Amino acid sequence: NAGVTQTPKFQVLKTGQSMTLQCAQDMNHEYMSWYRQDPGMGLRLIHYSVGAGITDQGEVPNGYNVSRSTTEDFPLRLLSAAPSQTSVYFCASTGGIGGYTFGSGTRLTVV
Amino acid sequence: DAKTTQPPSMDCAEGRAANLPCNHSTISGNEYVYWYRQIHSQGPQYIIHGLKNNETNEMASLIITEDRKSSTLILPHATLRDTAVYYCTGKSGGSNYKLTFGKGTLLTVNP
Repeated sequence: NAGVTQTPKFQVLKTGQSMTLQCAQDMNHEYMSWYRQDPGMGLRLIHYSVGAGITDQGEVPNGYNVSRSTTEDFPLRLLSAAPSQTSVYFCASTGGIGGYTFGSGTRLTVV
Repeated sequence: DAKTTQPPSMDCAEGRAANLPCNHSTISGNEYVYWYRQIHSQGPQYIIHGLKNNETNEMASLIITEDRKSSTLILPHATLRDTAVYYCTGKSGGSNYKLTFGKGTLLTVNP
């Protein structure tokens, strides 16, 4: 049981490049979310999903796309990377009331 | 939406109880209160949640006031490994699965 797996752990992008941050969970959780965390800040919700085929925007969705074709996977796409998207990204999942399980994060630097 | 207010930092002596307060005066009747912690730059870790009654698990106890406007997370015997940022979280937008985080409380456990 691996929990929530995020790849890659580290990434450096040039401004304007696109990429996909991968997130997979093996707990059959319906609910998944993406957060970003900037230095000294709390976590801000980017997008979330309440099940396969259903996604919605969080607090800071601009510049990011998501899709949820399967229960297990919830990738986050950066369309055209900007330095303001330099951050640590966390994916999380939950099966219900009992709290989210978070991944170990992807540390992204956009130069 | 339940907006939460926590002190930015607290200190505790090793072996003593750590009591972390959280105000959530805008919480509504069916909203759970969740506590998470984040050690260094790791992914957040779920600790405990509650609705009305006090709760206890192997990690901590949660005391919720009768009016549900505040709660206290209690670590009964704090260790150095409990040094972390503790988040009291509130839901957003009508779902217990869309959690929003504030800046949390940095708890430092001192030898």
